[in-house]
Amino acid sequence: AQKITQTQPGMFVQEKEAVTLDCTYDTSDPSYGLFWYKQPSSGEMIFLIYQGSYDQQNATEGRYSLNFQKARKSANLVISASQLGDSAMYFCAMRGHSSASKIIFGSGTRLSIRP
Amino acid sequence: ETGVTQTPRHLVMGMTNKKSLKCEQHLGHNAMYWYKQSAKKPLELMFVYNFKEQTENNSVPSRFSPECPNSSHLFLHLHTLQPEDSALYLCASRPGTSGMANEQFFGPGTRLTVL
Repeated sequence: AQKITQTQPGMFVQEKEAVTLDCTYDTSDPSYGLFWYKQPSSGEMIFLIYQGSYDQQNATEGRYSLNFQKARKSANLVISASQLGDSAMYFCAMRGHSSASKIIFGSGTRLSIRP
Repeated sequence: ETGVTQTPRHLVMGMTNKKSLKCEQHLGHNAMYWYKQSAKKPLELMFVYNFKEQTENNSVPSRFSPECPNSSHLFLHLHTLQPEDSALYLCASRPGTSGMANEQFFGPGTRLTVL
């Protein structure tokens, strides 16, 4: 069975500070992909970043980076220089090789950026 | 703008009504998905379609009836719903159902309230 765990229901961060959102996962698939999505209050899910389980380097996309620690089965999202517009729900998600048609999501972390 | 549109954005219906949610993608993708997002719960996969064929039904009650007339359009027909069906219904698309790296593109969702 596959499982995604996000242990931080909510976080408050001062503007311009860096923030790390935690994500751990469990899977028996030897090959899998990890995703982070952002969901503003408007509702749409916005893709942020992807990490493949066999990628040698941690993924980066602008201010977003994924701290991938395979042995610990963690895939934390790091947002550098946070902005007010970063306030949203953030979901970690995973797709395994054995069930490549579907993606499972964690319960999310609500990030609030203080001015 | 992700290239996936959903209508209506908001819907209020009684338990005896029949309504339909519509999803359209302009990305040339072949796979389309329906998700349900209830308050304080992870996204739940409902249905998966690939090349217009349903490939996954995640034990969804029959009061939800999907329809996929072509790869660009996906409907969710609703009838005799219950108040606990009130949620945000998200549509997503992908190039296909195989492969792990391709992210899903989500629509803005339909906020459904069942009275």
